[in-house]
Amino acid sequence: DADVTQTPRNRITKTGKRIMLECSQTKGHDRMYWYRQDPGLGLQLIYYSFDVKDINKGEISDGYSVSRQAQAKFSLSLESAIPNQTALYFCATSGGQGSGYTFGSGTRLTVV
Amino acid sequence: SQQGEEDPQALSIQEGENATMNCSYKTSINNLQWYRQNSGRGLVHLILIRSNEREKHSGRLRVTLDTSKKSSSLLITASRAADTASYFCATEGGGSNYKLTFGKGTLLTVNP
Repeated sequence: DADVTQTPRNRITKTGKRIMLECSQTKGHDRMYWYRQDPGLGLQLIYYSFDVKDINKGEISDGYSVSRQAQAKFSLSLESAIPNQTALYFCATSGGQGSGYTFGSGTRLTVV
Repeated sequence: SQQGEEDPQALSIQEGENATMNCSYKTSINNLQWYRQNSGRGLVHLILIRSNEREKHSGRLRVTLDTSKKSSSLLITASRAADTASYFCATEGGGSNYKLTFGKGTLLTVNP
Protein backbone atom coordinates (compact mmCIF):
# COMPACT_ATOMS: atom_id res chain seq x y z
CA ASP A 1 0.00 0.00 0.00
CA ALA A 2 1.12 3.51 -0.76
CA ASP A 3 2.26 5.72 2.11
CA VAL A 4 -0.19 8.42 1.02
CA THR A 5 -3.42 7.40 -0.68
CA GLN A 6 -5.70 9.83 -2.46
CA THR A 7 -9.20 9.11 -3.69
CA PRO A 8 -10.58 9.46 -6.25
CA ARG A 9 -7.75 9.42 -8.84
CA ASN A 10 -9.89 11.24 -11.38
CA ARG A 11 -13.16 13.11 -11.06
CA ILE A 12 -15.34 15.11 -13.38
CA THR A 13 -17.97 17.25 -11.71
CA LYS A 14 -20.38 19.98 -12.67
CA THR A 15 -20.19 23.64 -11.74
CA GLY A 16 -21.88 24.30 -8.43
CA LYS A 17 -21.52 20.79 -7.05
CA ARG A 18 -19.86 20.06 -3.72
CA ILE A 19 -17.03 17.60 -3.94
CA MET A 20 -14.72 16.00 -1.41
CA LEU A 21 -11.22 14.69 -2.06
CA GLU A 22 -9.87 12.27 0.49
CA CYS A 23 -6.37 11.55 1.70
CA SER A 24 -5.01 9.01 4.14
CA GLN A 25 -1.44 8.30 5.20
CA THR A 26 0.33 5.43 6.90
CA LYS A 27 3.53 7.31 7.80
CA GLY A 28 2.29 8.15 11.30
CA HIS A 29 3.08 11.83 10.72
CA ASP A 30 1.19 14.69 12.33
CA ARG A 31 1.63 17.13 9.46
CA MET A 32 -0.53 16.98 6.36
CA TYR A 33 -0.95 19.31 3.40
CA TRP A 34 -3.14 19.93 0.37
CA TYR A 35 -1.57 21.43 -2.75
CA ARG A 36 -2.97 22.34 -6.13
CA GLN A 37 -0.96 22.11 -9.34
CA ASP A 38 -1.81 24.02 -12.50
CA PRO A 39 0.27 23.72 -15.67
CA GLY A 40 3.23 26.09 -15.55
CA LEU A 41 2.50 27.30 -12.02
CA GLY A 42 4.12 24.66 -9.86
CA LEU A 43 2.37 23.71 -6.62
CA GLN A 44 0.36 26.10 -4.51
CA LEU A 45 -0.56 25.39 -0.90
CA ILE A 46 -4.29 25.29 -0.15
CA TYR A 47 -4.46 24.18 3.50
CA TYR A 48 -2.17 22.53 6.00
CA SER A 49 -2.57 20.84 9.37
CA PHE A 50 0.11 20.23 11.99
CA ASP A 51 -2.12 18.03 14.12
CA VAL A 52 -5.77 17.02 14.41
CA LYS A 53 -6.76 20.26 16.15
CA ASP A 54 -4.60 22.57 14.03
CA ILE A 55 -5.84 23.73 10.61
CA ASN A 56 -4.26 26.59 8.69
CA LYS A 57 -5.00 28.38 5.44
CA GLY A 58 -2.42 28.33 2.70
CA GLU A 59 -1.91 30.67 -0.25
CA ILE A 60 -5.11 29.85 -2.12
CA SER A 61 -7.73 28.68 0.41
CA ASP A 62 -10.73 30.62 -0.97
CA GLY A 63 -13.40 28.23 -2.23
CA TYR A 64 -11.94 25.29 -0.31
CA SER A 65 -12.39 23.79 3.14
CA VAL A 66 -10.71 20.90 4.93
CA SER A 67 -11.40 18.42 7.66
CA ARG A 68 -8.81 16.52 9.72
CA GLN A 69 -10.78 13.52 10.86
CA ALA A 70 -7.83 11.72 12.43
CA GLN A 71 -4.06 11.84 12.43
CA ALA A 72 -4.08 9.74 9.27
CA LYS A 73 -6.93 11.42 7.38
CA PHE A 74 -7.19 14.87 5.83
CA SER A 75 -9.95 15.66 3.35
CA LEU A 76 -10.38 18.64 1.04
CA SER A 77 -13.79 19.95 -0.02
CA LEU A 78 -14.83 22.27 -2.78
CA GLU A 79 -18.04 23.81 -1.49
CA SER A 80 -19.35 24.90 -4.89
CA ALA A 81 -17.03 23.84 -7.68
CA ILE A 82 -16.16 26.27 -10.45
CA PRO A 83 -14.29 25.63 -13.72
CA ASN A 84 -11.11 27.43 -12.63
CA GLN A 85 -10.73 24.84 -9.87
CA THR A 86 -9.91 22.32 -12.58
CA ALA A 87 -6.44 21.15 -11.58
CA LEU A 88 -4.32 18.35 -10.19
CA TYR A 89 -4.63 18.11 -6.39
CA PHE A 90 -1.98 16.59 -4.18
CA CYS A 91 -2.01 15.57 -0.56
CA ALA A 92 1.29 15.28 1.30
CA THR A 93 2.60 14.48 4.75
CA SER A 94 5.83 15.26 6.57
CA GLY A 95 7.52 14.37 9.81
CA GLY A 96 8.36 17.95 10.70
CA GLN A 97 10.56 20.82 9.69
CA GLY A 98 13.61 19.57 7.87
CA SER A 99 11.91 16.39 6.70
CA GLY A 100 11.07 15.63 3.11
CA TYR A 101 7.44 15.47 2.13
CA THR A 102 5.71 12.29 0.96
CA PHE A 103 3.12 12.95 -1.72
CA GLY A 104 0.10 11.01 -2.87
CA SER A 105 -0.44 10.18 -6.54
CA GLY A 106 -2.85 13.05 -6.98
CA THR A 107 -6.48 13.62 -7.93
CA ARG A 108 -7.17 15.04 -11.36
CA LEU A 109 -10.30 17.16 -11.00
CA THR A 110 -12.24 18.59 -13.91
CA VAL A 111 -15.09 21.01 -13.32
CA VAL A 112 -17.38 21.43 -16.32
CA SER B 1 3.22 33.28 -4.63
CA GLN B 2 6.24 31.27 -5.71
CA GLN B 3 9.32 31.41 -3.55
CA GLY B 4 11.65 29.46 -5.82
CA GLU B 5 12.27 30.01 -9.49
CA GLU B 6 13.94 27.28 -11.52
CA ASP B 7 16.11 27.90 -14.52
CA PRO B 8 15.92 26.79 -17.24
CA GLN B 9 12.22 26.07 -17.68
CA ALA B 10 13.08 23.22 -20.03
CA LEU B 11 16.27 21.31 -20.75
CA SER B 12 16.92 18.67 -23.38
CA ILE B 13 20.09 16.57 -23.34
CA GLN B 14 21.47 13.28 -24.62
CA GLU B 15 21.79 10.18 -22.48
CA GLY B 16 25.12 10.14 -20.66
CA GLU B 17 25.40 13.92 -20.43
CA ASN B 18 25.12 15.86 -17.20
CA ALA B 19 22.07 17.99 -16.44
CA THR B 20 22.22 21.12 -14.31
CA MET B 21 19.17 22.93 -13.01
CA ASN B 22 19.22 26.11 -10.98
CA CYS B 23 16.88 27.53 -8.38
CA SER B 24 16.73 31.02 -6.94
CA TYR B 25 14.65 32.09 -3.96
CA LYS B 26 13.76 35.31 -2.21
CA THR B 27 13.62 34.99 1.57
CA SER B 28 15.67 33.28 4.26
CA ILE B 29 15.25 29.53 4.51
CA ASN B 30 15.73 26.65 6.92
CA ASN B 31 16.33 24.18 4.11
CA LEU B 32 15.89 23.66 0.38
CA GLN B 33 14.57 20.47 -1.17
CA TRP B 34 14.46 19.03 -4.67
CA TYR B 35 11.60 16.91 -5.96
CA ARG B 36 11.00 14.95 -9.12
CA GLN B 37 7.66 14.51 -10.88
CA ASN B 38 7.01 12.09 -13.69
CA SER B 39 4.28 13.26 -15.99
CA GLY B 40 1.03 13.79 -14.09
CA ARG B 41 2.14 11.78 -11.07
CA GLY B 42 3.00 12.55 -7.48
CA LEU B 43 6.20 14.29 -6.50
CA VAL B 44 9.08 12.26 -5.13
CA HIS B 45 11.53 13.74 -2.65
CA LEU B 46 15.10 13.58 -3.95
CA ILE B 47 17.35 15.47 -1.59
CA LEU B 48 17.31 18.08 1.17
CA ILE B 49 20.07 20.57 1.95
CA ARG B 50 20.02 22.64 5.13
CA SER B 51 20.87 26.32 5.21
CA ASN B 52 24.19 25.65 6.96
CA GLU B 53 25.28 23.15 4.29
CA ARG B 54 26.95 24.06 1.02
CA GLU B 55 26.94 20.80 -0.91
CA LYS B 56 25.28 17.42 -0.67
CA HIS B 57 25.46 14.22 -2.71
CA SER B 58 23.07 11.35 -3.22
CA GLY B 59 23.97 8.77 -5.85
CA ARG B 60 24.13 10.62 -9.19
CA LEU B 61 22.71 13.79 -7.64
CA ARG B 62 24.73 16.73 -6.39
CA VAL B 63 23.09 19.73 -4.82
CA THR B 64 24.76 23.01 -3.93
CA LEU B 65 23.40 25.87 -1.88
CA ASP B 66 24.65 29.45 -1.78
CA THR B 67 22.66 31.33 0.83
CA SER B 68 24.46 34.60 0.09
CA LYS B 69 23.12 34.48 -3.46
CA LYS B 70 19.88 32.74 -2.45
CA SER B 71 20.44 30.08 -5.06
CA SER B 72 20.81 26.33 -5.43
CA SER B 73 21.73 23.97 -8.21
CA LEU B 74 20.91 20.34 -8.88
CA LEU B 75 23.34 18.34 -10.98
CA ILE B 76 22.37 14.95 -12.36
CA THR B 77 25.43 13.13 -13.67
CA ALA B 78 25.47 10.52 -16.43
CA SER B 79 21.81 11.07 -17.20
CA ARG B 80 19.52 8.27 -18.36
CA ALA B 81 16.31 8.30 -20.36
CA ALA B 82 14.52 7.34 -17.14
CA ASP B 83 15.58 10.68 -15.62
CA THR B 84 13.11 12.42 -17.94
CA ALA B 85 10.76 14.29 -15.59
CA SER B 86 10.01 17.68 -14.11
CA TYR B 87 12.25 18.79 -11.26
CA PHE B 88 11.10 21.24 -8.60
CA CYS B 89 12.96 23.07 -5.93
CA ALA B 90 11.10 23.88 -2.72
CA THR B 91 12.09 26.01 0.22
CA GLU B 92 11.12 25.67 3.84
CA GLY B 93 11.32 28.80 5.95
CA GLY B 94 12.77 29.21 9.39
CA GLY B 95 11.02 29.99 12.67
CA SER B 96 7.34 29.06 12.66
CA ASN B 97 7.14 29.22 8.87
CA TYR B 98 7.23 25.50 8.30
CA LYS B 99 5.50 25.48 4.93
CA LEU B 100 7.19 24.18 1.82
CA THR B 101 6.99 26.61 -1.09
CA PHE B 102 7.60 25.31 -4.58
CA GLY B 103 9.03 26.79 -7.75
CA LYS B 104 7.54 26.25 -11.19
CA GLY B 105 9.90 23.45 -12.15
CA THR B 106 12.34 22.48 -14.89
CA LEU B 107 11.22 19.95 -17.47
CA LEU B 108 14.18 17.68 -18.23
CA THR B 109 14.13 15.51 -21.33
CA VAL B 110 16.88 12.93 -21.72
CA ASN B 111 17.05 11.58 -25.26
CA PRO B 112 18.25 7.99 -25.78
